[in-house]
Amino acid sequence: SQTIHQWPATLVQPVGSPLSLECTVEGTSNPNLYWYRQAAGRGLQLLFYSVGIGQISSEVPQNLSASRPQDRQFILSSKKLLLSDSGFYLCAWSPTSPTQYFGPGTRLTVL
Amino acid sequence: EDQVTQSPEALRLQEGESSSLNCSYTVSGLRGLFWYRQDPGKGPEFLFTLYSAGEEKEKERLKATLTKKESFLHITAPKPEDSATYLCAVQARGATNKLIFGTGTLLAVQP
Repeated sequence: SQTIHQWPATLVQPVGSPLSLECTVEGTSNPNLYWYRQAAGRGLQLLFYSVGIGQISSEVPQNLSASRPQDRQFILSSKKLLLSDSGFYLCAWSPTSPTQYFGPGTRLTVL
Repeated sequence: EDQVTQSPEALRLQEGESSSLNCSYTVSGLRGLFWYRQDPGKGPEFLFTLYSAGEEKEKERLKATLTKKESFLHITAPKPEDSATYLCAVQARGATNKLIFGTGTLLAVQP
């Protein structure tokens, strides 16, 4: 069966510091991978998606970037965090079907 | 513009009191409609995918239905462990990697 991992689970960072969140998927090959952000009282917002190694599509221009160095690894980064980057970050994967399966999430607080 | 609206925002039920959650959507050609359950501080858990009007799917006390403009999540004889936020999302034809989420319905089932 497939398993998706995210770390860290929680993170508190000062404004202006860098960010690196990691997501890995087990038990499947060549999945589509996604990064979402969930802000309080708002729906999940798609940030980036990837259909293969090195292939990244951005949905929302912002202070963040994504990379996919390996088939089942997806990384969300920032060079300098803003207060508005606080939120719950979710990684998801999908097979050939449209259904997406989510990881446990990372709670990011920028102070 | 593709949009998803969920109602009510919050619902409080007594154990055993059946009810329905609504998900209204506007999308330029529906590829799929998805229901997820989200517990506090956790990632969304997949429940159902519906593809066409008239389709129904069931899982334990939950039943999802789909029309051309909305979907209902029926909860029969709920238990306290059904308490969670229920999220609805749609995927449009041609936007095969993007889910549009509603803001969810927070369900509380009291014993």
